[in-house]
Amino acid sequence: QVQLVESGGGVVQPGGSLRLSCAASGFTFSSYAMHWVRQAPGQGLEWVATIRFDGSNKFFADSVKGRFTISRDNSKSTLYLQLKSLRPADTAVYYCAKDGLGGMATMDHWGQGTLVTVSS
Amino acid sequence: DIQMTQSPSSLSASVEDRVTITCRASQSITRYLNWYQQRPGKAPKLLIYDASSLQSGVPSRFSGSGSGTDFTLTISSLQPEDFATYYCQQSYSTPFTFGPGTKVDIK
Repeated sequence: QVQLVESGGGVVQPGGSLRLSCAASGFTFSSYAMHWVRQAPGQGLEWVATIRFDGSNKFFADSVKGRFTISRDNSKSTLYLQLKSLRPADTAVYYCAKDGLGGMATMDHWGQGTLVTVSS
Repeated sequence: DIQMTQSPSSLSASVEDRVTITCRASQSITRYLNWYQQRPGKAPKLLIYDASSLQSGVPSRFSGSGSGTDFTLTISSLQPEDFATYYCQQSYSTPFTFGPGTKVDIK
């Protein structure tokens, strides 16, 4: 069965950096686009970034463009999100999600999330 | 950017009630509309994709309809496990925006 396990979250000071990982199993990772979605405490869902199956195209929300980088290692079935110049507004649970059938960003499986807290 | 709105923002219902949630896009997204369920403390779960296609393993009491800018999620007979927050999301173009959510709780 599909499994996505995020890691790398934690507490970081404003301006700091963090790298999140998402280990995938149970499907052919190299065949699917992957996504990061975040959820601030008590708030709704916000799409953050998408990477195509082969890493050839990457898309970012304006709120993170130039600060976050998405990448993948298909040989390790792992998705990454590099977070830089972090702000308190980046505090959220970060989910990785697998692309599914349907439109460009239909997220059919999600990880359990990893919490990033940006605070001094 | 395409803005997504949902109504109502919350509703109270009883088990076996029929529940309808509406989602509206600020411009046409054809049928590229997904619905997710999120229970407290859990990750979202895909229910419906492409406006009306039922995701594998999702009970048939969930259904979706609509096209263009107006969409509907219907739960035909609410079950105890359906009390959750529901989000629509457009997959037509980046940024892939979500609606603000509709919280369904017990009357």
